[in-house]
Amino acid sequence: DGGITQSPKYLFRKEGQNVTLSCEQNLNHDAMYWYRQDPGQGLRLIYYSQIVNDFQKGDIAEGYSVSREKKESFPLTVTSAQKNPTAFYLCASSIGGVPGNQPQHFGDGTRLSIL
Amino acid sequence: QKEVEQDPGPLSVPEGAIVSLNCTYSNSAFQYFMWYRQYSRKGPELLMYTYSSGNKEDGRFTAQVDKSSKYISLFIRDSQPSDSATYLCAMRAGANSKLTFGKGITLSVRP
Repeated sequence: DGGITQSPKYLFRKEGQNVTLSCEQNLNHDAMYWYRQDPGQGLRLIYYSQIVNDFQKGDIAEGYSVSREKKESFPLTVTSAQKNPTAFYLCASSIGGVPGNQPQHFGDGTRLSIL
Repeated sequence: QKEVEQDPGPLSVPEGAIVSLNCTYSNSAFQYFMWYRQYSRKGPELLMYTYSSGNKEDGRFTAQVDKSSKYISLFIRDSQPSDSATYLCAMRAGANSKLTFGKGITLSVRP
């Protein structure tokens, strides 16, 4: 079945530690996205990538980093500079390209907590 | 004023009720509108995707867009306990512009 796989489902971070969240898709989508979801808030865009080896900052990129070395993979690193990392992290993908008006499809998220 | 406002909820209805979920927005450039359903501890699942004004029906679900009033709605007919979830509206201006989400409303359908 085609889809988006996020791992791990739950992750704990110690103070001063960087952690990496995995996102893999087998939908052959060009565009991939990372969102953060906090209770009572909508999804906020962290980073997005329209094509391999290229990515752009979203609305809340500070304290996060990404890479896009392969079309199917878009890992997110939560660095120690992110002072409030506890949240539900969602990865999404879409066909992208032109006209690029296709909707985004989401993985089942990673819940990150601070130890 | 936030770009997208969604009724805060939560909302509780009896099984079989008609449910109306609403979002208003301020950016007149928005032209692509989506509704997502999110079950607890899961990612959002796309329910409806519409372009510009008008209605779109899919089974028990109807999405309605009124661009003149900057208002979108999702109607659920004959609601079922399995419809209990958080519903998120989302919208964007152009084909490659970012999605803006509402905060979501939690719906509970009582058997």
